[in-house]
Formats: sequence, structure tokens, C-alpha cells
Amino acid sequence: GAGVSQTPSNKVTEKGKYVELRCDPISGHTALYWYRQSLGQGPEFLIYFQGTGAADDSGLPNDRFFAVRPEGSVSTLKIQRTERGDSAVYLCASSPQTSGNGNEQFFGPGTRLTVL
Amino acid sequence: AQSVTQLGSHVSVSEGALVLLRCNYSSSVPPYLFWYVQYPNQGLQLLLKYTTGATLVKGINGFEAEFKKSETSFHLTKPSAHMSDAAEYFCAVGGTASKLTFGTGTRLQVTL
Repeated sequence: GAGVSQTPSNKVTEKGKYVELRCDPISGHTALYWYRQSLGQGPEFLIYFQGTGAADDSGLPNDRFFAVRPEGSVSTLKIQRTERGDSAVYLCASSPQTSGNGNEQFFGPGTRLTVL
Repeated sequence: AQSVTQLGSHVSVSEGALVLLRCNYSSSVPPYLFWYVQYPNQGLQLLLKYTTGATLVKGINGFEAEFKKSETSFHLTKPSAHMSDAAEYFCAVGGTASKLTFGTGTRLQVTL
């Protein structure tokens, strides 16, 4: 079956611009996660959705970052007033239910964001 | 709070040699432990995981890992490396919260 998909695969933008990154989780997965992976680093948690609601947004670095999942499926990560430090690969993952029970998170290929 | 330390950002082994990638974790609650592999331009793929029960966990592609609570370790091993094993490997810890905390990764190089 289809895995987690993310669009676009690459996004180049200018400092100060607004960007939206999209994630399509595996059908039926109720849990959805966003991570950010900077060069040479492991993925860092940003936000977690259980259904439509953000259950944990403690990883969002500041109020320029926002994510939604209005119908409990597709999610959009939104970044306002982008800065060069936002350049990274943004990863999305989904899980059949919360990973609080050690369930596997299935990762998408990521969106590489470059802020010039 | 949880954290993961992966010793060695780069490991090079000869084809057919033992692979050993080290992972130590810190967790205030009983941990769930994972190893993921990332091939170039691909997403993270689960190799294996430890939740409860048997401390020696077998995964895909001949990899295995042993959970050692006393050493707070979850090292990844494979008896005989193949060229196709060249990739970046990430150890991660999860707990009662849903998020995963990843290490900084180890790049495995396999030489002829």
C-alpha cells in the first residue's frame, strides 16, 4: 500500500516568505508527527497530532511555526517569515495509534526546505 | 526527559566484517527503543524495536540489538556486513509520550 507522502520534495524560498509543507499519512493512521532534520543531525520532534487535534506541540521552535490537520488525515506545516536557520529537511511520520505503546512510526521521504 | 547518544558519527567496516553501532540512552521511564536506517534521499525505515519482553531483538536485513538496562545501552549489530548496508543509522527512544528522541546518527561505510 501507499506510504507516507510529502509535497513538495524540495522547496526553495527567500527569507521572510511564507511556506506550507504538506503531509499525506498512511490511510487509517490516526497519529501524525512532524520532525525537523538539520544537516548532520538526527530528526527533532516538532508536533504530534492524534486525530484532528495537536496533542503535543512542545517541539515547535517559535510562533512562526504552525501545523494543522483539519480532517484528521492530511496535515500542513506552515512557516511564517522564514529565516535562513529554518533550512532543513522536514519529516512527517504516521502511526496507527499513539506511539506511547511503542508502535512504529512510518516516515515519509521529507521536504527539503532551503531559505535563501 | 529522554536523550540518546550515538558514539561514532562515522563507522567503516570491511565487507563481511562485524558491524557494531553503539547507542546509549537516558530515560526517566521504561523506554521503548528503536533503530532506524536512512538511505540517501529516502525516508527513515524501521530496522527493529524493543518494547517489552525479550531483550535481544532481531530485525530486518540480519540486524539485531540487545537492550541492556544496567548499561542503558541498545547497540546494533550484524555479523557480516554487506555493501548494501551502507547508510545512516539512527537510534531513538520513546516513552509514555508519543514523540521519539533521536540520536545524531552514525554513517556506516562498507569497503571491499
